[in-house]
Amino acid sequence: SQTIHQWPATLVQPVGSPLSLECTVEGTSNPNLYWYRQAAGRGLQLLFYSVGIGQISSEVPQNLSASRPQDRQFILSSKKLLLSDSGFYLCAWRASGGTGELFFGEGSRLTVL
Amino acid sequence: GEDVEQSLFLSVREGDSSVINCTYTDSSSTYLYWYKQEPGAGLQLLTYIFSNMDMKQDQRLTVLLNKKDKHLSLRIADTQTGDSAIYFCAEDGTTSGTYKYIFGTGTRLKVLA
Repeated sequence: SQTIHQWPATLVQPVGSPLSLECTVEGTSNPNLYWYRQAAGRGLQLLFYSVGIGQISSEVPQNLSASRPQDRQFILSSKKLLLSDSGFYLCAWRASGGTGELFFGEGSRLTVL
Repeated sequence: GEDVEQSLFLSVREGDSSVINCTYTDSSSTYLYWYKQEPGAGLQLLTYIFSNMDMKQDQRLTVLLNKKDKHLSLRIADTQTGDSAIYFCAEDGTTSGTYKYIFGTGTRLKVLA
């Protein structure tokens, strides 16, 4: 069966520090991968999506970046965090075909101080 | 542009019906979805509707789709306290097969005992 792992679950970082959130998917190949951010009191904002290795589409201009070094690995990064980067980050994957259901990880809560 | 809108809050009494509304913009979506988010967790698919359908019923859930008005609704019959959560509608925004999912702002449902 397919599973998705996302880590770390919680982190507190100072302003200006770097960030790396990692997401891996097991049990499937060539998934579409997504990073979303959920800020307090706001909806789900699509940040990046990827249809294959090295293929990243950015939806919102900001100081975040994403990379997909392997088929089932998706990394969200920042060189210098801002206060506004605080939020709940969710990784998701989608298999080809079917009803297009997205499967979400458990999320990473980032607090920038 | 792409935008999916929902009302932010809904409060109902246990046993009543809940109706959560959503308006979307991308008429090319193949499927439209309803996801449920428990506190501090990722999202899970609740139900979906194919874009050429008007209605779908799944146990206590009824989804209505008005393509002309780009309006989607979710009705939960006999609402229980366990239904308290945030509900997101989403469109798959099929564009060149990339399935760029766009989520609504989320509706926080509170069920009063």
